[in-house]
Amino acid sequence: GAGVSQSPSNKVTEKGKDVELRCDPISGHTALYWYRQSLGQGLEFLIYFQGNSAPDKSGLPSDRFSAERTGGSVSTLTIQRTQQEDSAVYLCASSLQGTTGEKLFFGSGTQLSVL
Amino acid sequence: GDSVTQMEGPVTLSEEAFLTINCTYTATGYPSLFWYVQYPGEGLQLLLKATKADDKGSNKGFEATYRKETTSFHLEKGSVQVSDSAVYFCALQPGGTSYGKLTFGQGTILTVHP
Repeated sequence: GAGVSQSPSNKVTEKGKDVELRCDPISGHTALYWYRQSLGQGLEFLIYFQGNSAPDKSGLPSDRFSAERTGGSVSTLTIQRTQQEDSAVYLCASSLQGTTGEKLFFGSGTQLSVL
Repeated sequence: GDSVTQMEGPVTLSEEAFLTINCTYTATGYPSLFWYVQYPGEGLQLLLKATKADDKGSNKGFEATYRKETTSFHLEKGSVQVSDSAVYFCALQPGGTSYGKLTFGQGTILTVHP
C-alpha cells in the first residue's frame, strides 16, 4: 500500500478484555516499530522488529503486552486483560532498513479506550 | 537512559513571527536527532533530521542544528504561516545497535493566527 495502515482506527473495550491491534507496514520495509501516545505525553517506545532478528521488547510495559510479526510483514500488538491505564493511541511505524538516521513512516494510529 | 526535553507549550504566534522550539537531549554515544510533525488529522511525519554534530537539518523553511556541546537541537523558522499549526516532536535515535528505540519529547503544540 501507499503508507502504513493500522486497524482498527478506534477501539472501545471493557476492562479485563483482550484486544488485538493490527499494523500493515509499507511493502518492502524490514523494520517495524510500535509506540504508545498517552494524553499529554510524548511517544513511548514499545517494541521494535528488524528483519528476522529477535525483536527488541524492552519497552513493553508489562507481560500483558505482546507483539508478533508474521512473515516479516504484518504485525499484531495484543493487550491481555486490558486496564484503564492502557487507554492511549497506539502508533505503528516502518522504515526501509532500520538503520541509523533513517526516516520512520507512521500510521494514523489506533485510539484505544478502556472503560 | 536516553531522554529528550522539549519546551512546554502550547506556543501561540501571529503569522510571519519568528519561531523557536527548544529541544535538549541526554544520550550516550552519538545519536541522530529528528523533528517530527503531526498536522491536525494526520499521522506523524518527518520534518528534518541531523545525524552528526554540527549538521543542520532543514525543510519547509524550518532549520535545526545538532549542537553536541550544548546537547541541543532547537527548531527555528523565520516566518511562520497558519499552515504550520501542528504538534512538533523532537526525537533521538541512539547509535549502535539500539537504533530502533527512538526516544521522543513530549511534543509542543504550535498555533499560528492570521
